[in-house]
Amino acid sequence: EVQLVQSGAEVKKPGESLKISCQASGYNFANSWIGWVRQVPGKGLDLMGVIYPGDSEMKYSPSFQGQVTISVDKAISTAYLQWSSLKASDTAIYYCVKQRDYYLDVWGKGTTVTVSS
Amino acid sequence: ERVMTQSPATLSVSPGERATLSCRASQSVAANLAWYQQKPGQAPRLLFYASSTRATGIPARFSASGSGTEFTLTISSLQSEDFAVYYCQQYNNWPRTFGQGTKVEIK
Repeated sequence: EVQLVQSGAEVKKPGESLKISCQASGYNFANSWIGWVRQVPGKGLDLMGVIYPGDSEMKYSPSFQGQVTISVDKAISTAYLQWSSLKASDTAIYYCVKQRDYYLDVWGKGTTVTVSS
Repeated sequence: ERVMTQSPATLSVSPGERATLSCRASQSVAANLAWYQQKPGQAPRLLFYASSTRATGIPARFSASGSGTEFTLTISSLQSEDFAVYYCQQYNNWPRTFGQGTKVEIK
């Protein structure tokens, strides 16, 4: 069974850094794009970016380019989403997603990030 | 950027009735469209890809169609577990974009 297991909820202050994770299992991690989707409370879905673990090629949506960093560790089949300086507007649920033929076929359960002073 | 517009925003339907949801793209996305279902407190799950191909485990009461700029998701006879928010997403162009969602609620 394909699974994406995400790290737990985080509460941070503005300006702090954060790295959340997503461990994949049940498929060849290196051969499928993996990415992150943001959902602001009560709002819709935004694909932030995706990365191909095989060669670490990355694609960011323009709204998120320069705002976050997506990375992977192939050795442990884990993807990461990182902020260097959080803002209150980063408060959201972040879903790890596996991409198949460009659509999102598997979703993690989500990591809630709360940024508040 | 392709803008995806879903209508209606909210659909009130009685159990057993038919629900029809629409998704319109600002420019053609060919058949590169997916539908997702999100229940409260849960992650979205894939319903359809390639406009009309049902994902694994999706009941036959769900159907989808369309190409170019106009797409439709139909639930033939709503069950209690179908009340949720439905999102369309185009994957023809980068950035991939979602519609704002249609909430299907109990009438």
